[in-house]
Amino acid sequence: AQSVTQLGSHVSVSEGALVLLRCNYSSSVPPYLFWYVQYPNQGLQLLLKYTTGATLVKGINGFEAEFKKSETSFHLTKPSAHMSDAAEYFCAVSMEYGNKLVFGAGTILRVKS
Amino acid sequence: GAGVSQTPSNKVTEKGKYVELRCDPISGHTALYWYRQSLGQGPEFLIYFQGTGAADDSGLPNDRFFAVRPEGSVSTLKIQRTERGDSAVYLCASSLTPAMNTEAFFGQGTRLTVV
Repeated sequence: AQSVTQLGSHVSVSEGALVLLRCNYSSSVPPYLFWYVQYPNQGLQLLLKYTTGATLVKGINGFEAEFKKSETSFHLTKPSAHMSDAAEYFCAVSMEYGNKLVFGAGTILRVKS
Repeated sequence: GAGVSQTPSNKVTEKGKYVELRCDPISGHTALYWYRQSLGQGPEFLIYFQGTGAADDSGLPNDRFFAVRPEGSVSTLKIQRTERGDSAVYLCASSLTPAMNTEAFFGQGTRLTVV
């Protein structure tokens, strides 16, 4: 069965600093990979996704992620954190027709002024 | 509406009672999903519908949980004889098709508390 591991349940960065949220997955076949963001009292919103093609994927709000097959990783980055980035971030994988998602446990990002 | 709508947003019920949670997907979306998110965890898959039929219900924890989508649009998740362990946020999502590269849009969830 596929699984997703997000290293660090809480990450704290200063405003303007690099954001790095880690995601590793287990899979015997090439997966489709997703990052979702959840702001307080809101639903999950898709940040970006990797399906096929270019391994560096750009998403909304300046976020990007790189699919590294050799490392089974899909880490999320943003060069400069903004206060509005404070939220919970979920990495997810889909490997079956049906688009059933397997989520990691989430990482809460705190941005300090 | 433009997005996935879930009602109620909050539900408090007594142990042993029956509850229904409703999901109104985006118009035209054929695939509909239910997930459960417990405190401190990511969402866990429960069931997905393609049209009116349940295509995969492998995530339903036991036979107290049941879901329907009779007309291929609105779906209802039904929980019988609720237990305190059922307390969680129940999320609904819909996508245009079940294809793996199709974006799933999530509702804001129903927070169920069993007391």
